[in-house]
Amino acid sequence: DAGVIQSPRHEVTEMGQEVTLRCKPISGHDYLFWYRQTVMRGLELLIYFNNNVPIDDSGMPEDRFSAKMPNASFSTLKIQPSEPRDSAVYFCASSLVGGGYSGNTIYFGEGSWLTVV
Amino acid sequence: AQKITQTQPGMFVQEKEAVTLDCTYDTSDQSYGLFWYKQPSSGEMIFLIYQGSYDEQNATEGRYSLNFQKARKSANLVISASQLGDSAMYFCAMSSNTGKLIFGQGTTLQVKP
Repeated sequence: DAGVIQSPRHEVTEMGQEVTLRCKPISGHDYLFWYRQTVMRGLELLIYFNNNVPIDDSGMPEDRFSAKMPNASFSTLKIQPSEPRDSAVYFCASSLVGGGYSGNTIYFGEGSWLTVV
Repeated sequence: AQKITQTQPGMFVQEKEAVTLDCTYDTSDQSYGLFWYKQPSSGEMIFLIYQGSYDEQNATEGRYSLNFQKARKSANLVISASQLGDSAMYFCAMSSNTGKLIFGQGTTLQVKP
């Protein structure tokens, strides 16, 4: 089975440009998560979806960030305009169910390494 | 509010010895899940072990075991017979009954030959 697929793996962009990160969750998984990882702030949950509906976006840093999940097999995280402080690794993850249920393994993609110069 | 705390920024262990990585959590949920992930220097997040809040027995997966003490709200990871390949960052995480998954700050483990 294919795991969580993220693209691009690496992106270098100039400040002010729009960045779109993409994620394909594991088929059949109802939950999708977007995380940002930096040395200073660790792994931050930005937003998560259940059945394509955003449940909690309280971690989205500011209006420059937006996320969508138009269908069960695709999600995007967009940064517009990008700034150097957005440089980080962005992870997408998916799980079959939520909460403390047996077998609730959450799988991560390989991450998108973003550098804004 | 939910919170995960890992108080050990860095740990050292001698090869072949056991090591315990600490994790405490705070939640008002009755149903929740606890996870440990490994992140090697290559950056991927590798799932290690899962413990459900209603599971009565401690979870084990090979050399990994989770020491779950519900009353103390702790979920420590025990790695037995450490190997050089265990050197990595380890994250404790918790999922709520709404599905939200949050992470601790991580512990860097270095295994000495």
